[in-house]
Amino acid sequence: AQKVTQAQTEISVVEKEDVTLDCVYETRDTTYYLFWYKQPPSGELVFLIRRNSFDEQNEISGRYSWNFQKSTSSFNFTITASQVVDSAVYFCALSEAGNFNKFYFGSGTKLNVKP
Amino acid sequence: DTGVSQNPRHKITKRGQNVTFRCDPISEHNRLYWYRQTLGQGPEFLTYFQNEAQLEKSRLLSDRFSAERPKGSFSTLEIQRTEQGDSAMYLCASSGNRGAETQYFGPGTRLLVL
Repeated sequence: AQKVTQAQTEISVVEKEDVTLDCVYETRDTTYYLFWYKQPPSGELVFLIRRNSFDEQNEISGRYSWNFQKSTSSFNFTITASQVVDSAVYFCALSEAGNFNKFYFGSGTKLNVKP
Repeated sequence: DTGVSQNPRHKITKRGQNVTFRCDPISEHNRLYWYRQTLGQGPEFLTYFQNEAQLEKSRLLSDRFSAERPKGSFSTLEIQRTEQGDSAMYLCASSGNRGAETQYFGPGTRLLVL
């Protein structure tokens, strides 16, 4: 079974629009970590955020914000006032207490921001 | 501040040939990971090292694959007798050694097997 599901394969928005990328995860562990990475066309995965399962506070970093809801097993990512440079593939990932070293990635959401 | 580096960035080979990729982690990181990413998918875990010890290998890592980290610094991933199905991006990541750590990724090596 897929541990991390990113149902949106591709999203296209016009610059300055807000966009939310969905991530749903599945785990039996009570302790786990969730991550978001950005993969621009160059290919390198760029770390954006890490959240542990005991911290449900939403986080904001500039135009980026994350909404973690354990009740729905979701960790959604919102980009406010999107820019062309935000165009990339975004991955959500999970690591579990049983083995923190093994990350489970979703299949990614490709975001196209048009000028 | 030097990040994770990988060489080569691209490799084209013929089916049946052997290939070797290198990964240099962030210098103070003890842990090193290899992932494989195919088109349209997220990275899939292959193996990881704590210093020079290879502590876990995925079932994806067939007998044709071998990874080493002989001195606990750089690592190599070798694929013997390559097959067309081996065509993918091979990503390396590294992290510190304090429990659950963020993994920092390199630019990847894109392999094409003809």
